[in-house]
Amino acid sequence: SQTIHQWPATLVQPVGSPLSLECTVEGTSNPNLYWYRQAAGRGLQLLFYSVGIGQISSEVPQNLSASRPQDRQFILSSKKLLLSDSGFYLCAWSARGRGWTEAFFGQGTRLTVV
Amino acid sequence: GNSVTQMEGPVTLSEEAFLTINCTYTATGYPSLFWYVQYPGEGLQLLLKATKADDKGSNKGFEATYRKETTSFHLEKGSVQVSDSAVYFCALSGGNTGNQFYFGTGTSLTVIP
Repeated sequence: SQTIHQWPATLVQPVGSPLSLECTVEGTSNPNLYWYRQAAGRGLQLLFYSVGIGQISSEVPQNLSASRPQDRQFILSSKKLLLSDSGFYLCAWSARGRGWTEAFFGQGTRLTVV
Repeated sequence: GNSVTQMEGPVTLSEEAFLTINCTYTATGYPSLFWYVQYPGEGLQLLLKATKADDKGSNKGFEATYRKETTSFHLEKGSVQVSDSAVYFCALSGGNTGNQFYFGTGTSLTVIP
């Protein structure tokens, strides 16, 4: 069966520090991968999605970046965090090329920038 | 473009009350429709889905019917429980979305004993 792992679960970082959140998927190949952010009491904002290694689409210009160094690994990074980067970050995957299939989510990372 | 419009919350119901959360969508092509549930501090879990017009998705007493004529996918449950308290998201994918998922803003449900 397929599983998605996301870590860390919680993170407190000072303003101006770097960020690296990691997401890995097991039990499937060539997944579509997604990073979402959820601000407190708000809906989901798509940050990045990827359909293959090295292929990243950015939905919202900001000081975050994403990379996909391996087929089932998706990393969210920042060189310098802002207070406004605080939120709940969710990684998700879906099966490639099957528009009817659902997205599967990780447990999320609660990031607090102080 | 593609979008999902979801009933504003929060919603507060007494236990055993009937629940409806409205969801309408705009999309080209023939998307699939989903309802996700998020419990506090957790990721989203798929609650139910429907992949074509007139399909009814159901799970844990929740139901939603894919209505192409009204572009709707309303979530219903006949008798809610305290354990149903969560945030519910309507979403679409497929069709001409290019592998992307479009989510509504979420509806917070609180069920009181």
